[in-house]
Amino acid sequence: AQSVTQPDIHITVSEGASLELRCNYSYGATPYLFWYVQSPGQGLQLLLKYFSGDTLVQGIKGFEAEFKRSQSSFNLRKPSVHWSDAAEYFCAVGGAGGGNKLTFGTGTQLKVEL
Amino acid sequence: DSGVTQTPKHLITATGQRVTLRCSPRSGDLSVYWYQQSLDQGLQFLIQYYNGEERAKGNILERFSAQQFPDLHSELNLSSLELGDSALYFCASSPLLSSYEQYFGPGTRLTVT
Repeated sequence: AQSVTQPDIHITVSEGASLELRCNYSYGATPYLFWYVQSPGQGLQLLLKYFSGDTLVQGIKGFEAEFKRSQSSFNLRKPSVHWSDAAEYFCAVGGAGGGNKLTFGTGTQLKVEL
Repeated sequence: DSGVTQTPKHLITATGQRVTLRCSPRSGDLSVYWYQQSLDQGLQFLIQYYNGEERAKGNILERFSAQQFPDLHSELNLSSLELGDSALYFCASSPLLSSYEQYFGPGTRLTVT
């Protein structure tokens, strides 16, 4: 069965600092990988996705993620964090089982200090 | 705005009751998914419909059921509600059966008292 681990429950960074959120997945074949962001009281917004090809993918809002098969990781990065990036971030994997369900990690809550 | 709409935004009801949550997918999307987000279980896939037919089931309780109508909107029915059913229920949609790229609605927050 596919699974996703986000080892950091909370992360605090200063505005302008760089950010890396960790995501490890477990899946037998090449996974479909996603990062979503959830602001307070809001739904989930798709930041970026990896299906195949270039292992460094660019997303919206200046985010990028790198797929590393050898490490089963798909870490999210941003070179300079803005206060508006404070939110909860979810990594998700798709590709196994019937249908197209996504399996989500437990999320990382990002706090940005001004 | 993802283009997925969900109603109502908030729902407060008592134990033992039945509620219906409604979802309209993005224009042109044929697949609809339901997810439950709770503090103890996180984000869990419940069920998927594609063009009116059930395609996949996840951790959906027998007290819960869903359907997708000819106009492609979907409803999630929750019955014999328990306190533990209090959660945020998301609907998502995607264009194709084989598409993993899902767009989420704003959710319906259900509170069972």
